[in-house]
This record gives sequence, C-alpha cells and structure tokens, in this order.
Amino acid sequence: NAGVMQNPRHLVRRRGQEARLRCSPMKGHSHVYWYRQLPEEGLKFMVYLQKENIIDESGMPKERFSAEFPKEGPSILRIQQVVRGDSAAYFCASSPPVWDYNEQFFGPGTRLTVL
Amino acid sequence: GESVGLHLPTLSVQEGDNSIINCAYSNSASDYFIWYKQESGKGPQFIIDIRSNMDKRQGQRVTVLLNKTVKHLSLQIAATQPGDSAVYFCAEIGGGADGLTFGKGTHLIIQP
Repeated sequence: NAGVMQNPRHLVRRRGQEARLRCSPMKGHSHVYWYRQLPEEGLKFMVYLQKENIIDESGMPKERFSAEFPKEGPSILRIQQVVRGDSAAYFCASSPPVWDYNEQFFGPGTRLTVL
Repeated sequence: GESVGLHLPTLSVQEGDNSIINCAYSNSASDYFIWYKQESGKGPQFIIDIRSNMDKRQGQRVTVLLNKTVKHLSLQIAATQPGDSAVYFCAEIGGGADGLTFGKGTHLIIQP
C-alpha cells in the first residue's frame, strides 16, 4: 500500500509564473490536508478537502492560492503569479473517511523555489 | 500568535543518554496532541499522541507527558540513537479546528 505521494518533489518557478502541486492520498483515503512549511518553521495548516469539496480553507491566503480535490485524480494546490515569499515546502496529508486524530499521514512534500 | 511553540530550537545529547523535548501550548480547547519527527527532506512522521484526558503515554523508547495546568507537553526519548537525529514538532488540534497546529520544532542532535 503506497503512502501519500506528492509530485513534483522539487519545483522551481520564476516570479509571476504558476505552480501546480499534486497530491495523491493513500488508498482508501478521501480526506486531504495541505500544509506549508517555511525554512526553520513548523508546518502551517492551509486547507482541508474531501472529494469535490473544500471543507476548511481558513489557512489559505485569500489571493493567488487555490486547491481542489476532484472526483478522479489527485488533489491540486495551485499558486498563481508566484512571489519569492511562496518559497517553502508544501506537505500534503491524507486520512480515511472516518478517522481518528492520529490517522493523518504525510507525504514527502514538494519544495518550491521561486527565483 | 501560534498556539504551540517550543522552548529550545536545538538540543544536543550524547548517544545513549535520554532526551527531553518540551513544548508549550496556549489553546485551552486543544484536546489532542501529537509528536512528529521530521528527517531532512522528508515529511513529518507520527511518533506518539496523547489525548487531553491523559497525562502520560508510553511507546517504544518514547514517553509523552501532558500537564494541562501549565499547558506543557514533553517528549522523552530513552537511550537516544543516531537515528533519532531529526527535528521534532509538537502539534495540537481541538476547538473545532480541522488542521493540526504545529510548533516551530526542536532540532535533536546526537553526539557520539
């Protein structure tokens, strides 16, 4: 059973370009969470999604950031018109439909560098 | 401000000694706490958790202590090994939140 998969693992973008980060949850998991980690910082919650629904986006910046989790395919975190401050590691976690608090499994992350 | 935070950014211990990593939180509504280990270039890995109705929980070589009176959480690692070198984060959830709130992390360095 493969774990949470994220791709790409490393992404380099120039200011103003778009970044698309993908997350495939563990098999059987229908809940996805996105977190951002700045250098030397802890992870910050961004958004919580279920299939075709955004449940909680309280941690998502109001502009340029969007997330989706379609019925088919991976969850996508999209950052438009990237700026240098978007450089960070972005982690995805997944949990099963009925989850205990400890059943949130993290992927390896995507490291975004904005030049 | 952040709901959780750590007292020390770096902790250096001798191999074989016990390690204690501390964490303070401020959200009284938090009812579940987790310690994660993050190795360089990897995602957080679950170590141990504790609910707010407990004050101690033990795992393999690890123990988590929760003091709700002073809103303090600690992770004890017995007989530290080189493979324990990593950044350790405490995280909490509660009060209706959907996502985990992480502290900034403590970098544990094991000296031979």
